[in-house]
Amino acid sequence: EVQLVESGGGLVQPGGSLRLSCVASGFTFSSYWMSWVRQAPGKGLEWVANIKEDGSEKYYVASVKGRFTISRDNARNSLYLQMSSLRAEDTAVYYCAREIRGSSSHFDHWGQGALVPVSS
Amino acid sequence: QSVLTQPPSVSGAPGQRVTISCTGSSSNIGAGYDVHWYQQLPGTAPKLLIYGNINRPSGVPDRFSASKSGTSASLAITGLQAEDEADYYCQSFDSSLGGWVFGGGTELTVL
Repeated sequence: EVQLVESGGGLVQPGGSLRLSCVASGFTFSSYWMSWVRQAPGKGLEWVANIKEDGSEKYYVASVKGRFTISRDNARNSLYLQMSSLRAEDTAVYYCAREIRGSSSHFDHWGQGALVPVSS
Repeated sequence: QSVLTQPPSVSGAPGQRVTISCTGSSSNIGAGYDVHWYQQLPGTAPKLLIYGNINRPSGVPDRFSASKSGTSASLAITGLQAEDEADYYCQSFDSSLGGWVFGGGTELTVL
């Protein structure tokens, strides 16, 4: 069974940093692109970043470029999101998701999410 | 404002049929990129409902179907059940933004 389990969420002050982790199991992690998708309280879904199977390609939504860094450790079946210079508008539940590549990739499995409130 | 436009809410009685639209533009749906749909039950993570415009993952009832035409797509749910109450999101790729985009979401209420 595919499982994605996020951790590392928690309250952070504006301007602060936080690293989210996502541990994968039940599939060959190193064979899949992975993404982070966030959802602000009461709002819709927003794709944040993704990373190629071997980590050689990374892409970001414009609003987080230069502040967030996605990475992975295939030996540990783990995906990470390093977030810095956090703003109130980054407050959201952050989901890691397995990406199925195609003409328009889709996300076939999601973690339970990690809440990141950004507030003083 | 989302790149893909969905109605904020739809409703229907048990057993009825409802549709949810997803309107895009020439840089996403109209450019030929696939559309996918997700169901998010209250307090849970999104779940893939439809992928590649029309395909259902295993385990998704055939009461759920979808289509795509031009710059729009739509999700249809027949034989509405109380357990279908959820938020539904469409998703595609946008070449102008260079990334994956979601609709704003539609809240389905079963009356």
